[in-house]
Amino acid sequence: GENVEQHPSTLSVQEGDSAVIKCTYSDSASNYFPWYKQELGKRPQLIIDIRSNVGEKKDQRIAVTLNKTAKHFSLHITETQPEDSAVYFCAASITGFQKLVFGTGTRLLVSP
Amino acid sequence: NAGVTQTPKFQVLKTGQSMTLQCAQDMNHEYMSWYRQDPGMGLRLIHYSVGAGITDQGEVPNGYNVSRSTTEDFPLRLLSAAPSQTSVYFCASKTGGANSPLHFGNGTRLTVT
Repeated sequence: GENVEQHPSTLSVQEGDSAVIKCTYSDSASNYFPWYKQELGKRPQLIIDIRSNVGEKKDQRIAVTLNKTAKHFSLHITETQPEDSAVYFCAASITGFQKLVFGTGTRLLVSP
Repeated sequence: NAGVTQTPKFQVLKTGQSMTLQCAQDMNHEYMSWYRQDPGMGLRLIHYSVGAGITDQGEVPNGYNVSRSTTEDFPLRLLSAAPSQTSVYFCASKTGGANSPLHFGNGTRLTVT
């Protein structure tokens, strides 16, 4: 089955810096890659997703890139703010298979 | 819309006890699922359902049962709780369309002593 690895497990940055979180997946048939943000004590919420027919997608300060050949995808957050502090999860799934497999999460801390 | 509603929010069980975690959604979503969240291990899929009357196993199904008698409800049953089942449990739902986003409930924190 699919396996998703996520790095780093913890990331500390200064406000205004950029943050990059990386994930790799094992199943070359995976073609949907969402990212979820989970604030302390809250539920995970979708922040951005990308499909395998697209190499990059942006939404304001957030961008996701996908390298299908290398089987890895990354989340980029620019101009970080303290409210970006949270745990971020990447995930992967195969169209037609209803299993979304998550990475182990990255705790991002943005210091003022 | 209330979205995905989970009850209870907190629960403490003794080893060997049974209980049911409730999950209901009012978005007419075909797909529903249960995840458990443990420190350092992310979210792991327990069971899922693609529609009423249909259920299937995820990554970590042992010790858990599910059923889907209606579109709205997807309860998770622990038949004989074990300390290893101490975790935060999330129910999530989505439309049946491929690659549609998951909507999570607020979670149930379960402690088994």
